[in-house]
Amino acid sequence: RKEVEQDPGPFNVPEGATVAFNCTYSNSASQSFFWYRQDCRKEPKLLMSVYSSGNEDGRFTAQLNRASQYISLLIRDSKLSDSATYLCVVRFYSSYKLIFGSGTRLLVRP
Amino acid sequence: DVKVTQSSRYLVKRTGEKVFLECVQDMDHENMFWYRQDPGLGLRLIYFSYDVKMKEKGDIPEGYSVSREKKERFSLILESASTNQTSMYLCASSLYGGRENTEAFFGQGTRLTVV
Repeated sequence: RKEVEQDPGPFNVPEGATVAFNCTYSNSASQSFFWYRQDCRKEPKLLMSVYSSGNEDGRFTAQLNRASQYISLLIRDSKLSDSATYLCVVRFYSSYKLIFGSGTRLLVRP
Repeated sequence: DVKVTQSSRYLVKRTGEKVFLECVQDMDHENMFWYRQDPGLGLRLIYFSYDVKMKEKGDIPEGYSVSREKKERFSLILESASTNQTSMYLCASSLYGGRENTEAFFGQGTRLTVV
């Protein structure tokens, strides 16, 4: 079983739609959680960290459910520019390693 | 702005060659990482380093070695390149954050083709 699992998609949604991605992790000792965004042929960049109480950044909301070992990303009012691959990232407690999921691809159509 | 620079965007090497991929960061970060990214497999950690001359194996270290002689530079070495090492290689760096979330910054990637 992969340590971090994501639905690869693609999620194909119209502009203005709300879309949500989930990511599950297998190690309960996981401590830090992130969502990264990767545009085609570009490097990954941090979208947002995920905190235990959940957090919001504009149209983006991240949630953490430690009991069920998953994190989620909600995008409201999707824009064409949101089209990208979204990578779920987990860091284990007392470790330097960042473990990446294989990503969920989002396509926002006009 | 944090900058992580990889020495080449594209490389073509022959099977059996020794290949060096260089990565330099300018933010005095303690941690540096080498990943490879393949379709359907995502980013897989090859090696990471948390200090000068310190290194630890990641999930797929076979066929690779690394060197960190200076804090800002982390090199990935393919001892004898093989066609299954054709991939996108991504270097990253981050501050040591202890228990805190710390962002990893990536270089632009090196697309290596082994023929």
